[in-house]
Amino acid sequence: NAGVTQTPKFRVLKTGQSMTLLCAQDMNHEYMYWYRQDPGMGLRLIHYSVGEGTTAKGEVPDGYNVSRLKKQNFLLGLESAAPSQTSVYFCASSTLAGDPGELFFGEGSRLTVL
Amino acid sequence: GENVEQHPSTLSVQEGDSAVIKCTYSDSASNYFPWYKQELGKRPQLIIDIRSNVGEKKDQRIAVTLNKTAKHFSLHITETQPEDSAVYFCAATVYSGGGADGLTFGKGTHLIIQP
Repeated sequence: NAGVTQTPKFRVLKTGQSMTLLCAQDMNHEYMYWYRQDPGMGLRLIHYSVGEGTTAKGEVPDGYNVSRLKKQNFLLGLESAAPSQTSVYFCASSTLAGDPGELFFGEGSRLTVL
Repeated sequence: GENVEQHPSTLSVQEGDSAVIKCTYSDSASNYFPWYKQELGKRPQLIIDIRSNVGEKKDQRIAVTLNKTAKHFSLHITETQPEDSAVYFCAATVYSGGGADGLTFGKGTHLIIQP
């Protein structure tokens, strides 16, 4: 039982390049989330999903897209990376519908955009 | 949307003393208030949570209190130990339409335990 797994863990991009972060969970959770963490800013919600085939915008969605084609996977895409997207990205999942309950986080993915 | 303010941003206490971290929230519909601990280079992990029908909850050396009228909640750590050194985040639910859409986090408190 691996919990929440993120790949890759580190990535360096040049401005304008694209990439996809993959989040996989093996706990059969309904809810999945992508947060970004920047120094002094806490964790800010980018996008989330309440079930397979559904996605919704969070607090800071601009410049990102997501997809949840399978219940266990939640992908975060950057179509044209910008230096402002340099951050640590955390995926999380939870099980309680209508109430997030405990979030189980992945180990994080550190992205640097030059 | 929900706004969560957390204070202080840094807290330094002597080992064995108590530490208190305070948060306020804006959305009166919020009813779930967790606290997460993040050690350096690690993922955030839930340490305690409280729901709006409860005023206080304890788990060994940590406790959380909630004042719904004032819209604030606090984390209390007693008899602090070196392993308590970490960044602590408070959070509150965000409601939109018929359900919760995720957690809004405070900006974090860096707790330093001085030997």
